[in-house]
Amino acid sequence: GQSLEQPSEVTAVEGAIVQINCTYQTSGFYGLSWYQQHDGGAPTFLSYNALDGLEETGRFSSFLSRSDSYGYLLLQELQMKDSASYFCAVETNAGKSTFGDGTTLTVKP
Amino acid sequence: DAGVTQSPTHLIKTRGQQVTLRCSPKSGHDTVSWYQQALGQGPQFIFQYYEEEERQRGNFPDRFSGHQFPNYSSELNVNALLLGDSALYLCASKVRGARPEAFFGQGTRLTVV
Repeated sequence: GQSLEQPSEVTAVEGAIVQINCTYQTSGFYGLSWYQQHDGGAPTFLSYNALDGLEETGRFSSFLSRSDSYGYLLLQELQMKDSASYFCAVETNAGKSTFGDGTTLTVKP
Repeated sequence: DAGVTQSPTHLIKTRGQQVTLRCSPKSGHDTVSWYQQALGQGPQFIFQYYEEEERQRGNFPDRFSGHQFPNYSSELNVNALLLGDSALYLCASKVRGARPEAFFGQGTRLTVV
């Protein structure tokens, strides 16, 4: 089966940088995705890594190390609107997605 | 483009009843997945439909079943409802074979009493 671990809560101040880590165990690993979900909202796709290395999309970056079964999401220049839950999700080569339990990010002024 | 739409938005059912939830995928998407999200947890994969067939299934009992129609829309059926089935049910669509980026609907909040 699959399992993912990510911190349950992270707190940071506006303008800071925060890193949310994700470790996983899975068979048939294809890639690692990241989603953001505001309270009462739908998850929205942020980033995807299939190969080792860093992917940058504006203020957000995501990193993957397949050999370490590890990835992280980096959020820069934090804004109040970034307060939300962030989920890592393992994608398998069979097309199945398994989500972690999420990290609640609180951005303080 | 209306994105992924789900109906109804909220639903209250009694234990033992049956429920049907509906999902229309984003225009151009052919693959639909269903998830159950309990409060404070991540979405749990129920199953995925492509070409009107169930392609992948998570660890959910047979009480959970689905269907995909020729227009790619989908239904999730849950029989013999239990209190533990109370959750947010999310539908996500994507294009099969493309990047795994999935577009989620706003979900159906199911409460079983």
